[in-house]
Amino acid sequence: GQNIDQPTEMTATEGAIVQINCTYQTSGFNGLFWYQQHAGEAPTFLSYNVLDGLEEKGRFSSFLSRSKGYSYLLLKELQMKDSASYLCAVRDRVSSYKLIFGSGTRLLVRP
Amino acid sequence: GAGVSQSPRYKVTKRGQDVTLRCDPISSHATLYWYQQALGQGPEFLTYFNYEAQPDKSGLPSDRFSAERPEGSISTLTIQRTEQRDSAMYRCASSPTGGSADTQYFGPGTRLTVL
Repeated sequence: GQNIDQPTEMTATEGAIVQINCTYQTSGFNGLFWYQQHAGEAPTFLSYNVLDGLEEKGRFSSFLSRSKGYSYLLLKELQMKDSASYLCAVRDRVSSYKLIFGSGTRLLVRP
Repeated sequence: GAGVSQSPRYKVTKRGQDVTLRCDPISSHATLYWYQQALGQGPEFLTYFNYEAQPDKSGLPSDRFSAERPEGSISTLTIQRTEQRDSAMYRCASSPTGGSADTQYFGPGTRLTVL
């Protein structure tokens, strides 16, 4: 089975950097996704990691360590609009179509 | 279409009634997924389609839940004899091929309330 853990809530200041961690335990692994979800809206894709290392995309970066079952999402130069939930999702190797989501981390950006 | 659409956006029903939710995926996307999302939680997988085939429905909570995609495009999720515990956001997503690196694109969801 799969188990995904993320902090429930985080608070950060506008302009700062925040790191959202995700740990997972899985019987198989075939990639990890990060999604952003604003309140009342659909999740939107942020990043995908399948190999170890850092993937950078503008203000957002995502890191993966498969041996440690660990990922983080790094958000730089925080803006008020970054206040949202951030969902970590793992794709199971056997059933590669299916995403298993964590409960999400609610990020509040303060002025 | 430009994105995944779902209808209705909100549905209120009485316990014991049947409801049908509709999903219209991104044009040409082969794979379509249904998820259930409780408030403050991540989406939970229900079932998926590859064109009209439904290889896995292991996430459906009970036999009251069923889904169809008869022509490989639009899909419906039907809940029979609804119960209060069925109240949730039901989200549809689609992806181009269902491959391991595919991104799933989510629709706006249908908020179901069972009274």
